[in-house]
Amino acid sequence: GAVVSQHPSRVICKSGTSVKIECRSLDFQATTMFWYRQFPKKSLMLMATSNEGSKATYEQGVEKDKFLINHASLTLSTLTVTSAHPEDSSFYICSAMLQIIAGGFSYEQYFGPGTRLTVT
Amino acid sequence: GDSVTQMEGPVTLSEEAFLTINCTYTATGYPSLFWYVQYPGEGLQLLLKATKADDKGSNKGFEATYRKETTSFHLEKGSVQVSDSAVYFCALRDISNFGNEKLTFGTGTRLTIIP
Repeated sequence: GAVVSQHPSRVICKSGTSVKIECRSLDFQATTMFWYRQFPKKSLMLMATSNEGSKATYEQGVEKDKFLINHASLTLSTLTVTSAHPEDSSFYICSAMLQIIAGGFSYEQYFGPGTRLTVT
Repeated sequence: GDSVTQMEGPVTLSEEAFLTINCTYTATGYPSLFWYVQYPGEGLQLLLKATKADDKGSNKGFEATYRKETTSFHLEKGSVQVSDSAVYFCALRDISNFGNEKLTFGTGTRLTIIP
């Protein structure tokens, strides 16, 4: 259980176009999802926290008008890279928060496999 | 702000060797600590965690102990297998400035085990 999918796994687009990446929790509902960006030989950097039904919270330095996040349902969050440029080429990873109510309250993040974006 | 430093890879070991991947952290609060593993073509998977000082997380033969005095959470395994080849990420979980939970990751260590 607790599977998170991402689509597409790889995408190549031309500079100036927009690209949408989907993140789905397949077997659980997630009120909170996260979007990360991973640079080569660097750690995952949190871009934004996405809460179902409300606006995303962006980390400092992340342009919210460039990286549009929509969390319209409890199983789907989308990241749209608008007017993409070569510097936006990266590996984008999402995660979904699963709340565990057993022997107390806890929660874990489950990660998708990532999307490789290449902007030419 | 919070940060995680882990040993740079790649690390190459022979099967049945002893593994240590070092991880140290900086945090203002009392974070929870994690090790995630990423197999080729897959998403990050939680390997083990510890939520308070002196806790030991363990899973699949891997262990790590939350050492507050040295701000460390080193990953160890006594005898590695070829199937352990993957990228390992150390991470801490704290509360962000917005009041949300936030994971901060290290750079990842690529481990290759040769038969």
